[in-house]
Amino acid sequence: AQKITQTQPGMFVQEKEAVTLDCTYDTSDPSYGLFWYKQPSSGEMIFLIYQGSYDQQNATEGRYSLNFQKARKSANLVISASQLGDSAMYFCAMREAISGSARQLTFGSGTQLTVLP
Amino acid sequence: NAGVTQTPKFQVLKTGQSMTLQCAQDMNHEYMSWYRQDPGMGLRLIHYSVGAGITDQGEVPNGYNVSRSTTEDFPLRLLSAAPSQTSVYFCASSSLGGASYEQYFGPGTRLTVT
Repeated sequence: AQKITQTQPGMFVQEKEAVTLDCTYDTSDPSYGLFWYKQPSSGEMIFLIYQGSYDQQNATEGRYSLNFQKARKSANLVISASQLGDSAMYFCAMREAISGSARQLTFGSGTQLTVLP
Repeated sequence: NAGVTQTPKFQVLKTGQSMTLQCAQDMNHEYMSWYRQDPGMGLRLIHYSVGAGITDQGEVPNGYNVSRSTTEDFPLRLLSAAPSQTSVYFCASSSLGGASYEQYFGPGTRLTVT
């Protein structure tokens, strides 16, 4: 079974609108962390936001927020007030404490976001 | 701090050739890892290390060797390159201590095997 599922291969959003990128995960580990990374066309991986499984509140970082619904095993990324520079591939990833070093990441297949002017 | 550096940025190999992808970090991170990224897929873990002298396999280790003789360096060796190893390779590092969780990625090496 896929551990991280991103069902939207591509998304379009108008500049200044908000957009939600979906991510569902599968784990039996009670202690885990969820990450979102941005990969622009230049190729580097840019860390955006992190949510721990025991965190009581949804994580926020500037225009990024993570809509964490533990019972549904979903960790959607919300980008508010989209900018042209937000056009990129976005990856959801999970770290499970049972995965040996507790630092290994399992990635989804990504969502290509295009912001339209 | 330079962060995580990788060399080379691009490489073309012929089938059967060997080479080493270099990765170095200057953040004194204990944990280092190698991922590969193929089109339409996320990153997949090849090998990782939790400290000098300690390495272990990830999800897709076949055809690759690693060693960790220092905290700073974690080279990835392709023993006999195959076209299936055409990919973009990322090195990442992270602290194992405290509440730190972020993994820092290098800029990537784009490898083509013909």
